[in-house]
Amino acid sequence: QKEVEQNSGPLSVPEGAIASLNCTYSDRGSQSFFWYRQYSGKSPELIMSIYSNGDKEDGRFTAQLNKASQYVSLLIRDSQPSDSATYLCAVNEGGADGLTFGKGTHLIIQP
Amino acid sequence: EPEVTQTPSHQVTQMGQEVILRCVPISNHLYFYWYRQILGQKVEFLVSFYNNEISEKSEIFDDQFSVERPDGSNFTLKIRSTKLEDSAMYFCASSRVGQGNQPQHFGDGTRLSIL
Repeated sequence: QKEVEQNSGPLSVPEGAIASLNCTYSDRGSQSFFWYRQYSGKSPELIMSIYSNGDKEDGRFTAQLNKASQYVSLLIRDSQPSDSATYLCAVNEGGADGLTFGKGTHLIIQP
Repeated sequence: EPEVTQTPSHQVTQMGQEVILRCVPISNHLYFYWYRQILGQKVEFLVSFYNNEISEKSEIFDDQFSVERPDGSNFTLKIRSTKLEDSAMYFCASSRVGQGNQPQHFGDGTRLSIL
């Protein structure tokens, strides 16, 4: 059974600070890792993808992957109130495989 | 920016009826997916589809469900003999290719309410 674990939160962060979101996964065959943002009642929106160990930066977002520890994280710098949402970690074995999602972390950015 | 389009946005159906949820994937994408999200729960994979056949399906995707690509643009999910527990958001997603690592892009979803 493939599992993706996330702290459900809520995680409360002051505006302008760094938000740190974490995710662990059980399937060692996982090759692709994604962070999606989901506003209440909306669909998942792709934020970041990462496929190899290390860091990947895109604007205010940095994804970090450690396959040995089966750990993925997302850092959001200069957090804005509009970043308040649920952040979903999703993994698959690559290719056309279905994604296995975590339950998501509810992030609240306090103005 | 191209996007996945889903219709209807909300479907209300009596228990026991059949429903068809429709999706238009991004035009140059070749892999298509259906997911569902029961209120307050995580997003769950149902099925993936490529080259007019199912690539992978989850335990949820039993004989009650079927998928079809009836023409060059639409991708449908049919749910037969609907049950109360089928009430959920259903998301369609597509990705450009299945080889290598390609992210899946999601549509806005169809909210299915079974009465």
